[in-house]
Amino acid sequence: QSALTQPPSASGSPGQSVTISCTGTSSDVGGYNYVSWYQQHPGKAPKLMIYEVTKRPSGVPDRFSGSKSGNTASLTVSGLQAEDEADYFCSSYADTNTVLFGGGTKLTVL
Amino acid sequence: EAQLLESGGGLVEPGGSLRLSCAASGFTFSSYAMSWVRQAPGKGLEWVSSISSSGDSTHYADSVKGRCTMSRDKSKNTLYLQFNSLRAEDTAIYYCAKFLKWFYSPFDYWGQGTLVTVSS
Repeated sequence: QSALTQPPSASGSPGQSVTISCTGTSSDVGGYNYVSWYQQHPGKAPKLMIYEVTKRPSGVPDRFSGSKSGNTASLTVSGLQAEDEADYFCSSYADTNTVLFGGGTKLTVL
Repeated sequence: EAQLLESGGGLVEPGGSLRLSCAASGFTFSSYAMSWVRQAPGKGLEWVSSISSSGDSTHYADSVKGRCTMSRDKSKNTLYLQFNSLRAEDTAIYYCAKFLKWFYSPFDYWGQGTLVTVSS
């Protein structure tokens, strides 16, 4: 049960786009289309932003989008806004009904 | 709207035990799989355990297997995590989370968490 790999940090200026990667294996990210992304502001509980690789829950701006290629999933935030500054975690369903999370990426809006 | 409220955290000595609870409301508790996820101070999220909607299937992370028992009481709409043989590395905020559907689906609702500190 190894964690998924995310870059520790990412940044962009307001209005720009930024992409965060999440790398796993064929037993998790690459084997299932059950990748999710969560946003977490300091002191708050995580919030679901993307699920099943590309789907957005109701209320999540369409500036957030997801994709996957092989064992790597990605979250793209377009038109960066100040309120997007937060930690982002990917997660994936893995073999035998387990869940893996990435180590998290701190997104800074410059 | 679904709400989850954790309780039971606190300071416990290494080797000690603790039972965390999560009171659920705003949805049909018995219809959804549930999970515990933890976050050590300043660290990332770590899945701890999951339980099926009926309670007859449970799964645990290797890091807690054999020391944790997850259960649910549909009459009280409450989720539990019995944690034994606690270690310093178990210090974390423990979140209760609801699966959107089943074990393969995302967590669509989270509680605010309860802090467990393992220290002498």
